[in-house]
Amino acid sequence: TQLLEQSPQFLSIQEGENLTVYCNSSSVFSSLQWYRQEPGEGPVLLVTVVTGGEVKKLKRLTFQFGDARKDSSLHITAAQPGDTGLYLCAFRSGTYKYIFGTGTRLKVLA
Amino acid sequence: DTAVSQTPKYLVTQMGNDKSIKCEQNLGHDTMYWYKQDSKKFLKIMFSYNNKELIINETVPNRFSPKSPDKAHLNLHINSLELGDSAVYFCASSQEGPYGYTFGSGTRLTVV
Repeated sequence: TQLLEQSPQFLSIQEGENLTVYCNSSSVFSSLQWYRQEPGEGPVLLVTVVTGGEVKKLKRLTFQFGDARKDSSLHITAAQPGDTGLYLCAFRSGTYKYIFGTGTRLKVLA
Repeated sequence: DTAVSQTPKYLVTQMGNDKSIKCEQNLGHDTMYWYKQDSKKFLKIMFSYNNKELIINETVPNRFSPKSPDKAHLNLHINSLELGDSAVYFCASSQEGPYGYTFGSGTRLTVV
């Protein structure tokens, strides 16, 4: 069974700090996505990365796809309380299926 | 307009009962899904339908029966509910290609 491990599992930081979340697997992916889920809501797609080494930025969030397309990272600069949530990576396994990672729960304290 | 809407939001029921969850999407997507999120927040695929046809069934007990009357709707019926069925169930839809999912806001099922 393919597995996506995310680290850390939990993260609690002060507003204004920087952080990085990691998503790792032993498999090579054709594409990888990052989602954020807030309490009581479904996950919301943040970004899709397709090319090895690709870097995408979304305001204070920077996403990187590993050169070998086996891992990815999400870096948040100057975290804000609004960044609080569950961050999930997911890879496409076949045409109609995405496998989700184990998740990172982030809490940003004001 | 909500893109993927599922009802009900909360469902509390006794063991042994039968219940249904409904899902509708207005995005024109061809593929719809049911995912289960457990207490550790792990999301696992249950079913996938493409244009009303079942294409993925991830070894889910046959007490769970999805039905897709048209490509905009995917319902989930659960028979003989068990305590272990307690979880949050998410409906999602997608278009073909690496575009990811649009999720509904979830149905929290509690079996007592």
